[in-house]
Amino acid sequence: QVQLQESGPGLVKPSETLSLTCTVSDFPVTSPYYWGWIRQPPGKGLEWLGSIYESGSTNYNPSLQSRISISIDTSRNQFALKLSSVTAADTAVYYCARHEPSGGFDFWGQGTLVTVSS
Amino acid sequence: AIQLTQSPSSLSASVGDRVTITCRASQDISTALAWYQQKPGQPPKFLIYDASTLESGVPSTFSGSGSATEFTLTISSLQPEDFATYYCQQFKSYPITFGQGTRLEIK
Repeated sequence: QVQLQESGPGLVKPSETLSLTCTVSDFPVTSPYYWGWIRQPPGKGLEWLGSIYESGSTNYNPSLQSRISISIDTSRNQFALKLSSVTAADTAVYYCARHEPSGGFDFWGQGTLVTVSS
Repeated sequence: AIQLTQSPSSLSASVGDRVTITCRASQDISTALAWYQQKPGQPPKFLIYDASTLESGVPSTFSGSGSATEFTLTISSLQPEDFATYYCQQFKSYPITFGQGTRLEIK
């Protein structure tokens, strides 16, 4: 059973960089799957941010293209999200999840709320 | 980007009812569509992929159908635990996109 867990600061100041890590348990991130980030502003819908393949190749949402970076650390079985120049509009629950190269998100973390505020 | 439009945005129904939620894609996505159920305070739960294939462990009261630009999620007999918000998601091409959600409430 694949388990994912997000971790990182729950409060980030405007204009700073949001950094989150997703630790994957009981399944190697080197397997042929994508590892993605999805967010959900309070009371709103789901937005895909980006995904990284086990090889390190990435796909990003064009709406965030200039601000987002996703990396993978195979030695720690983790992948990470960095989102720069945050504003209040980036306040959301951030989820990490697994998906097949052409498939839905089958395993999700519990999510972590990140608030952007001074 | 491929846009997904769900209808209705909200729906009231009773236990035992049959309900259908529609998801329309702005272009042909073949059957590259998934459905999720989300309850408050929880991550989405993966229900259906490839438009009509039930994920393991999902009750058979759930079914999906459709192709190209029109898709449906049907719950044949609503159970109390089915009241939640439902999302469709396309994986035909990047960027991956979700529908805006359909909130299913108890009448």
